[in-house]
Amino acid sequence: DVKVTQSSRYLVKRTGEKVFLECVQDMDHENMFWYRQDPGLGLRLIYFSYDVKMKEKGDIPEGYSVSREKKERFSLILESASTNQTSMYLCASSTSTTVNEKLFFGSGTQLSVL
Amino acid sequence: AQTVTQSQPEMSVQEAETVTLSCTYDTSENNYYLFWYKQPPSRQMILVIRQEAYKQQNATENRFSVNFQKAAKSFSLKISDSQLGDTAMYFCAFIYNFNKFYFGSGTKLNVKP
Repeated sequence: DVKVTQSSRYLVKRTGEKVFLECVQDMDHENMFWYRQDPGLGLRLIYFSYDVKMKEKGDIPEGYSVSREKKERFSLILESASTNQTSMYLCASSTSTTVNEKLFFGSGTQLSVL
Repeated sequence: AQTVTQSQPEMSVQEAETVTLSCTYDTSENNYYLFWYKQPPSRQMILVIRQEAYKQQNATENRFSVNFQKAAKSFSLKISDSQLGDTAMYFCAFIYNFNKFYFGSGTKLNVKP
């Protein structure tokens, strides 16, 4: 069974802390994505990566960075967490072999920044 | 710019009845794909149904079907014989290149016994 695993289901951090959200996929997918989900706003793309060490900004990259050192792992980094980054974070992956290939999602990390 | 609009934040339906969730989108692209995803309380996003824009025939998957109106840029989801397990957030999504998805704001569906 294909899997996208996010390391934490719930996370509580303090303002100003550096936060790492980890995501691992076991499907050998080229593409990996980080979304932020907020009520009434749906899912918004933060960053995506189409290959190791490659990354591109999504629609709301401010305050975030990413790292993809290995194909299976895509990390989202909050350099200095702020309360407005309290949200649900969803990682997803997909293959590049077909343009309309569906996204496979992790179960999400609910991050609270106090 | 590509936008996806779901105008119904929340809906309710009785078990075994039929419900339709609305979605409209805006794009200047001609070749694209549309999806409906379901997010139950477990938070795991699940693909419900997919439609290629170049296909005129509406997609169906068991109790789920779509009404795709390309000229009107409308892509509604019909759920027949609603079941309690259909209770979830439903997201309409659009993609036209390189797997970059655009999502709507979601519709929370509550199936009542």
